[in-house]
Amino acid sequence: QSVLTQPPSVSGAPGQRVTISCTGSSSNIGAGFDVHWYQQLPGTAPKLLIYGNSNRPSGVPDRFSGSKSGTSGSLAIAGLQAEDEADYYCQSYDIILSGYVFGSGTRVTVL
Amino acid sequence: EVQLVESGGGLVQPGRSLRLSCTASGFTFGDYAMSWVRQAPGKGLEWIGFTRSKAYGGTTEYAASLKGRFTISRDDSKSIAYLQMNSLKTEDTAVYYCPRVASEFCRGGVCYPRGGNDYWGPGTLVTVSS
Repeated sequence: QSVLTQPPSVSGAPGQRVTISCTGSSSNIGAGFDVHWYQQLPGTAPKLLIYGNSNRPSGVPDRFSGSKSGTSGSLAIAGLQAEDEADYYCQSYDIILSGYVFGSGTRVTVL
Repeated sequence: EVQLVESGGGLVQPGRSLRLSCTASGFTFGDYAMSWVRQAPGKGLEWIGFTRSKAYGGTTEYAASLKGRFTISRDDSKSIAYLQMNSLKTEDTAVYYCPRVASEFCRGGVCYPRGGNDYWGPGTLVTVSS
């Protein structure tokens, strides 16, 4: 059971907007630690998609955006494209566990 | 160009030990904390632990479930991070990654990773089976 909770799957038609939630607690996201998001395409290593709640590394399209509020973070994908089909993971630091924690992952399917 | 290459994986019997290496290039290795993360077949990402850079204490943190069996170390002179795994179990079968920690900060006398894991290698597969 993951410390950060994500929906197992989300889906949308091409061009639609989908969001993925990441619910934590007062010992991680709620303690002021940032939320980071990773995209993992099939058969490849994870790739940093959003860092520090809402920042995009160079090369990540602005269709991807992140936010944080209270004990939760959120990833939004606007203008969904077929190439966005992947698994998405959130991550934060947990002060009780003294380490990073990952969400359980969300599979995004483009219909 | 930042590159991370994990090595040392393979087939190992339950109860045996294995040491993985993570060879880094393209950046000043000693200036960064390094993590180890694993992914069992068909499962999600699991954080194993990380080693802080020397500037931030050089200490290590581990996931509670793995502490005592797994040990992370680093050789800044060689730009290599290591993961020593002892008393291996079948459930340790996974792809093992050593992503770089983007940065670190200190608050209240404790130093934390910041910015997520910005670079990842391709991983190395460890299969624990008799």
